[in-house]
Amino acid sequence: GENVEQHPSTLSVQEGDSAVIKCTYSDSASNYFPWYKQELGKRPQLIIDIRSNVGEKKDQRIAVTLNKTAKHFSLHITETQPEDSAVYFCAASTPNDYKLSFGAGTTVTVRA
Amino acid sequence: NAGVTQTPKFQVLKTGQSMTLQCAQDMNHEYMSWYRQDPGMGLRLIHYSVGAGITDQGEVPNGYNVSRSTTEDFPLRLLSAAPSQTSVYFCASSYSSGGEKLFFGSGTQLSVL
Repeated sequence: GENVEQHPSTLSVQEGDSAVIKCTYSDSASNYFPWYKQELGKRPQLIIDIRSNVGEKKDQRIAVTLNKTAKHFSLHITETQPEDSAVYFCAASTPNDYKLSFGAGTTVTVRA
Repeated sequence: NAGVTQTPKFQVLKTGQSMTLQCAQDMNHEYMSWYRQDPGMGLRLIHYSVGAGITDQGEVPNGYNVSRSTTEDFPLRLLSAAPSQTSVYFCASSYSSGGEKLFFGSGTQLSVL
């Protein structure tokens, strides 16, 4: 099955700086790559997703980039704010597999 | 809409006991799934369903059973609880049969002593 690795496991940034989280996947057939944000004690929530036919997608201060050749995708958060502090999970799935495989998560702390 | 509703929020079991975690959604989603979350391991898929009457195993199905008799409900049964099943359990649903854009429930914190 699909194996997703996520780095770093923890990330501390100064408020206003950028944060980047990188994930690699094993199955070259994977075509869907979402990112979920989980605040402390809360449920995971989808923040952005990208398909394999798109190289980059932006939504306000967050963006995701995909490199199919290298089999990795990244989440970029610009102008970080305290409310960006959370655990972020990347995931990947292959067509007709009905399964979403998650990375281990990155704990992001935004320092005021 | 209530979204995805999970009960109970907290549960303590003794080794060998059985129990059912309830999950219901009111969004008419065909796809439903159960994940467990353990520190440092992300979210791991236990079982999933692409519609009423259809279920399949995920990454870590051993020790768990599911059924899908209606579109709305997807209960998870622990047959004989073990300490290794201590975890946070999340139910999730999606309008997509591929499990995209998942909506998660609020989770169940389960401790097995």
